[in-house]
Amino acid sequence: LAKTTQPISMDSYEGQEVNITCSHNNIATNDYITWYQQFPSQGPRFIIQGYKTKVTNEVASLFIPADRKSSTLSLPRVSLSDTAVYYCLVGLLNNAGNMLTFGGGTRLMVKP
Amino acid sequence: EPEVTQTPSHQVTQMGQEVILRCVPISNHLYFYWYRQILGQKVEFLVSFYNNEISEKSEIFDDQFSVERPDGSNFTLKIRSTKLEDSAMYFCASRRQDGTNEKLFFGSGTQLSVL
Repeated sequence: LAKTTQPISMDSYEGQEVNITCSHNNIATNDYITWYQQFPSQGPRFIIQGYKTKVTNEVASLFIPADRKSSTLSLPRVSLSDTAVYYCLVGLLNNAGNMLTFGGGTRLMVKP
Repeated sequence: EPEVTQTPSHQVTQMGQEVILRCVPISNHLYFYWYRQILGQKVEFLVSFYNNEISEKSEIFDDQFSVERPDGSNFTLKIRSTKLEDSAMYFCASRRQDGTNEKLFFGSGTQLSVL
């Protein structure tokens, strides 16, 4: 399983764009990159997933360079409610592979 | 959006007692998981379950732990003889199975306190 490295914490202000980068130098060919969000006392919640290039949904964008050794989660115009821990996971869930491993995550604090 | 439901939300038990944590996965999901999170630490994988058997398990999931799908809707985690260090938030998760990479849906967790 590919190990991931993320900043432990980040601070931002409301309305700013936040970019959280994750390093995964040992990513395997079939691995996907998935980001989850976790609020205190709640289970992680899926945000976005990608394999290469750029993926965008209603919540965030995910940028993946050609070598796939890193990825950047971009949160546009954050609000106070985006204060949470963000986890970058690398792996594959299919009929053969069945486990995702969480790293330490990035604790994002959004200030007014 | 469909949800994974966990009960109880809080469980307090004495060391050495057995506890059963219950989960109702999303109805059309086929893969089920238990994770745990000790206060202030990262989310740790315990076990995955598919087709009525364990698919993968971590080193944490020792002989004191067991999982069961007793009927078509529930998925349980049993800890036979709880230890102080079992105190944690336990999350159940589930996913569909269609051969491609799928996201996990997590429940809100059961906070287990072992005294």
